[in-house]
Amino acid sequence: DAGITQSPRYKITETGRQVTLMCHQTWSHSYMFWYRQDLGHGLRLIYYSAAADITDKGEVPDGYVVSRSKTENFPLTLESATRSQTSVYFCASSDPPIRLEQFFGPGTRLTVL
Amino acid sequence: AQSVSQHNHHVILSEAASLELGCNYSYGGTVNLFWYVQYPGQHLQLLLKYFSGDPLVKGIKGFEAEFIKSKFSFNLRKPSVQWSDTAEYFCAVNAGSGGYQKVTFGTGTKLQVIP
Repeated sequence: DAGITQSPRYKITETGRQVTLMCHQTWSHSYMFWYRQDLGHGLRLIYYSAAADITDKGEVPDGYVVSRSKTENFPLTLESATRSQTSVYFCASSDPPIRLEQFFGPGTRLTVL
Repeated sequence: AQSVSQHNHHVILSEAASLELGCNYSYGGTVNLFWYVQYPGQHLQLLLKYFSGDPLVKGIKGFEAEFIKSKFSFNLRKPSVQWSDTAEYFCAVNAGSGGYQKVTFGTGTKLQVIP
């Protein structure tokens, strides 16, 4: 089925380790996004990408790295995980100007011990 | 900078009660407005959207929202809620023109419907 998939769905890691969260979409949407969802903060944008090889910072980019070598993939890497990065991470895509609304993946629940 | 306010953080209703969730945004230009719903343990799904035209927008599952430009509001309504409407609801604003249009989400309103 077409859509957005994220892997892993659950991840437990330790402080200081590098973690990569994967996001894959099958619609060929131009834009992709990474959000984190925390209680009391709603959704906060980490990074976004307008197309392959074009990425830009969002509201809370510190400690994260992204890449987009292919339109369909948008991995998010925590270079050295910290406890404050414990969160639920959502990937999303959109395809302006036709599709302004964002389509979300199922999320990855990350726990940093 | 644009912002979105959802003043009700947690709402508890009995089944068949009417629902209105507030959403206010701060941006003076053209906006696109969205309501998303997140059912327990699931990802966000689009409930409805407003781009232009009729300010009363109807979405899925009997939800509707009214865009009132003078009040910078986009409140979500449903005449009679069901237990299955228990979820978290997010208002979002997409502003700007051309290139990347920044989307700002509200902090969400948790709706609990009691049978």
